[in-house]
Amino acid sequence: DTEVTQTPKHLVMGMTNKKSLKCEQHMGHRAMYWYKQKAKKPPELMFVYSYEKLSINESVPSRFSPECPNSSLLNLHLHALQPEDSALYLCASSAEPNSNQPQHFGDGTRLSIL
Amino acid sequence: SQQGEEDPQALSIQEGENATMNCSYKTSINNLQWYRQNSGRGLVHLILIRSNEREKHSGRLRVTLDTSKKSSSLLITASRAADTASYFCATDEGGGYNKLIFGAGTRLAVHP
Repeated sequence: DTEVTQTPKHLVMGMTNKKSLKCEQHMGHRAMYWYKQKAKKPPELMFVYSYEKLSINESVPSRFSPECPNSSLLNLHLHALQPEDSALYLCASSAEPNSNQPQHFGDGTRLSIL
Repeated sequence: SQQGEEDPQALSIQEGENATMNCSYKTSINNLQWYRQNSGRGLVHLILIRSNEREKHSGRLRVTLDTSKKSSSLLITASRAADTASYFCATDEGGGYNKLIFGAGTRLAVHP
């Protein structure tokens, strides 16, 4: 079992739908991350939240909208996605947002866009 | 964007053998980390080695770092079938926010 919990595990949605991915950690970590991973590829960073504030947006399209309601919770709101957005979306956290911190990953949400 | 390459892309060995994976990167780094990913799961942190360290051990894992060659290696000794997974190196270039850039990964298969 991982200490970072992601829901749902699987999500199928149409291109006009609005859905949200949820990530929760109760380790008291102050940094949280969203990654996108295509099949047989490495994870690619999308967003970094540091002390509940958005610190890094890696030029992610606006159809992906992150939200950090509190220090334990991270959401990724999805709207008008494209078929190429189908991927595994991974959430991670680290104790602090500075260097030399291992990241703890959830098992991801596998997203399919019809 | 990827920081560098991992070598080999795939590795197939028998239980009990050692497995060595290499990672190269392009820019100066603050630290380099190794992660394991089992099929359909998230990544699990294995080892973090700082730029001023040359070697680190954890159980059956040994990591080396050569900053002059911008390369690292991960050695798994006495491999087990349960070690079957993809292994990724990730570099932190510093500058804050713990931003990691992952290598392409090595797919390791350990056969009983």
